[in-house]
Amino acid sequence: DIVLTQSPGTLSLSPGERATLSCRASQTVTSSYFAWYQQKPGQAPRLLIYGASSRATDIPDRFSGSGSGTDFTLTISRLEPEDFAVYYCQQYGTSPFTFGQGTRLEIK
Amino acid sequence: QVQLQESGPGLVKPSQTLSLTCTVSGGSISSGDYYWSWIRQHPGKGLEWIGYIFYSGSTYYNPSLNSRVTISVDTSKKQFSLKLSSVTAADTAVYYCARGVRGRSSDRWGQGTLVTVSS
Repeated sequence: DIVLTQSPGTLSLSPGERATLSCRASQTVTSSYFAWYQQKPGQAPRLLIYGASSRATDIPDRFSGSGSGTDFTLTISRLEPEDFAVYYCQQYGTSPFTFGQGTRLEIK
Repeated sequence: QVQLQESGPGLVKPSQTLSLTCTVSGGSISSGDYYWSWIRQHPGKGLEWIGYIFYSGSTYYNPSLNSRVTISVDTSKKQFSLKLSSVTAADTAVYYCARGVRGRSSDRWGQGTLVTVSS
């Protein structure tokens, strides 16, 4: 299985600041089949980024994804109050699909 | 806009079989562009992909659960289902169904349903 390791585990920032979340894969991710999700308490995950860098439908352009191979990054350019949540990375190029353990983005 | 809704018992006894159904509305289940997944989340933990199915019936399961999992589809009812046998307390989780798009991962999710395994 491809193991995804997210860092940091918790990120404390203020609204308006820039957030950078990282995810490292134990093996090369096939065809950049890599996604980022946002999850708020009591809600299902929401797809933010697919294909490593493509924004999903209705996702604001302050969210951007980059990376390839084994190293991927999610950047939120200017944090809004509604962005504080848990973020998960996922690879869907090799079965079994796997998720990272999550990064909690909290208000400083 | 496509919506997914999980249904099934919220409480299952140990050693029994967990059965859930996902109903798809507002869109087609019979397209080769989509795959239909089950994903679970243990309380306070991360996400675990269980498996998925195409409308044709082709399935892929997580090997960690492979011997206990069956996913099936009923295109006439626009439903797909999960059966997980021989459950234990470790199978207590929120179970999500989701629509996957080729190349795009899972873009539509159900709200999730908590299943507790307890006697």
